[in-house]
Amino acid sequence: TQLLEQSPQFLSIQEGENLTVYCNSSSVFSSLQWYRQEPGEGPVLLVTVVTGGEVKKLKRLTFQFGDARKDSSLHITAAQPGDTGLYLCAGPLTGANNLFFGTGTRLTVIP
Amino acid sequence: GAGVSQSPSNKVTEKGKDVELRCDPISGHTALYWYRQSLGQGLEFLIYFQGNSAPDKSGLPSDRFSAERTGGSVSTLTIQRTQQEDSAVYLCASSLLAGVLTGANVLTFGAGSRLTVL
Repeated sequence: TQLLEQSPQFLSIQEGENLTVYCNSSSVFSSLQWYRQEPGEGPVLLVTVVTGGEVKKLKRLTFQFGDARKDSSLHITAAQPGDTGLYLCAGPLTGANNLFFGTGTRLTVIP
Repeated sequence: GAGVSQSPSNKVTEKGKDVELRCDPISGHTALYWYRQSLGQGLEFLIYFQGNSAPDKSGLPSDRFSAERTGGSVSTLTIQRTQQEDSAVYLCASSLLAGVLTGANVLTFGAGSRLTVL
């Protein structure tokens, strides 16, 4: 059983389309992070959300932390081929510092 | 160093052999994590070294797995009597501070060590 479940697991879309990736848990997290990983490399941090209900924008990417701090979403507007990669959410359980990762969403943006 | 360095980048071994994977974190980083990633999936937490405190070993899958961090810097992950299910990419990451990863305290990953057990 994974602490953080991501959906969808795979997503293939055309360039210019919008998409949303979800990260859900039954546990409360003190913060949640989103990473992107490309083949042969380690994950790279995109954003950290800390406050329930928080929304952060990074160019065409919008991240939201659920009010109850159990879930998060990543929305990409007008996807580009450069957005292709494995997207991972991660967070520490409240009171803990070790970081748990989600199951991952593999995104392919077709030119 | 400038980034997190892991070696070897690739390791092929026979079932039953022992392997050692090395992680050289960013200089001065207090916290060091080991994760395992199978077939491009999510990361499975293995162990977390948090400065001078006792490491969090709660993610180690069996007693065949062990890790140490000498002098608060380099870490070695050892897998004894490897099995085929141990095949995966082993990722190491470090952060400046032990504790909540917010603000400037971000996690930086190495490129990983790909282990294949035949």
